[in-house]
Amino acid sequence: EAGVAQSPRYKIIEKRQSVAFWCNPISGHATLYWYQQILGQGPKLLIQFQNNGVVDDSQLPKDRFSAERLKGVDSTLKIQPAKLEDSAVYLCASSLLSTGANVLTFGAGSRLTVL
Amino acid sequence: KQEVTQIPAALSVPEGENLVLNCSFTDSAIYNLQWFRQDPGKGLTSLLLIQSSQREQTSGRLNASLDKSSGRSTLYIAASQPGDSATYLCARGGTYKYIFGTGTRLKVLA
Repeated sequence: EAGVAQSPRYKIIEKRQSVAFWCNPISGHATLYWYQQILGQGPKLLIQFQNNGVVDDSQLPKDRFSAERLKGVDSTLKIQPAKLEDSAVYLCASSLLSTGANVLTFGAGSRLTVL
Repeated sequence: KQEVTQIPAALSVPEGENLVLNCSFTDSAIYNLQWFRQDPGKGLTSLLLIQSSQREQTSGRLNASLDKSSGRSTLYIAASQPGDSATYLCARGGTYKYIFGTGTRLKVLA
């Protein structure tokens, strides 16, 4: 089966600019996650979707970050305006369901550098 | 606050050694514990998933155990190889989400 697709792989922007990341999960996976991984740290959950509804966005900086999952498939994560501390790898993952015996499958990530 | 801690943060061993990576978590009400591998510049690859009702899982040279009562999981790697060099992350699966540890950076020397 095809894996989780993410684009772009790399993005360099200046602070206060905007950026968008795209994710296409594994076909049939109802749950989609966006994680932020800062260098040397473990991934931190930003937002979790179940189909096209939000399950958890408690750690999403809503003044600058937004995410949507239209039609319960693809998802876009946007940052506007970007800050230096947003430099990180943005990982998208999907799973069949949101609880229990669900293996998380990750994409390769989108590396953001904010100058 | 739910936390996941991994010790050690970094480990360097000669090829052929057996080694143990540790993961501890503060909330014992878990659904599962998943171990991942992350190569530099890459995403995470799932290695093993242990359900809360299980005590261990094995895949090849890897064995992961889970002790909910003590809030601990260990990943055992037998006969380590240079290709095992990577960062290993554990993630505690709760009702709705996974919480990750900070990882153990493993380097196996040829």
